[in-house]
Amino acid sequence: SYVLTQAPSVSVAPGKTATITCGGNNIGRKNVHWYQQRPGQAPVLVIFYDSDRSPGIPDRFSGSNSKDTATLTITRVEAGDEADYFCQVWDNSRDHPIFGGGTKLTVL
Amino acid sequence: QITLKESGPTLVLPTQTLTLTCTFSGFSLSPTGVGVGWFRQPPGKALEWLALIFSDEDKRYSPSLKDRLNVDLGTSQNQVVLTLTTVGPADTGTYLCAHSRDQSWISPWGQGTLVSVSS
Repeated sequence: SYVLTQAPSVSVAPGKTATITCGGNNIGRKNVHWYQQRPGQAPVLVIFYDSDRSPGIPDRFSGSNSKDTATLTITRVEAGDEADYFCQVWDNSRDHPIFGGGTKLTVL
Repeated sequence: QITLKESGPTLVLPTQTLTLTCTFSGFSLSPTGVGVGWFRQPPGKALEWLALIFSDEDKRYSPSLKDRLNVDLGTSQNQVVLTLTTVGPADTGTYLCAHSRDQSWISPWGQGTLVSVSS
């Protein structure tokens, strides 16, 4: 089955840019969605269809997708951005969603 | 506004059956691709998809759990029920339901309910 690979953790200083990647075979041909999950809370959709921001999500969040890597970029990182971030695609052959293992963003 | 909320037991004995209900509002299930998904998350671990239901005729299950899972429409039109049989400690985690569009994103999510499997 299709596998999405994310780094377990990323650390960034406040005000800097965080880059969170999601690797998958030819993921550039799939639609990628990104979720933010703060501790003790449910996931929140932040980016859908590779690069569209969900309503209410600041424009500091952006997404891209090409070849074997999808990327979530957070500019001017704030303490409130500290969370787990998951990528998700649809497994068309098996007709269900697939999630990456998640990346924990730590704001130093 | 779409909302979902999970309900069910917080503690289940090993080998027993876990039954959870998702009560939702703001949308209706549709065989054209609007449904409810069930997911779970062991403490500190990644999200895992369990099941999807779009209609009584379109139900999908995680291949690794399909022999133990069942998803059904509830007694009222705004409820979906998930059952997981023969639970064990590995089934401990937060169970979440979410508004799910076929071939698309998943949003919004319920708050989740923590289920512990222990004797």
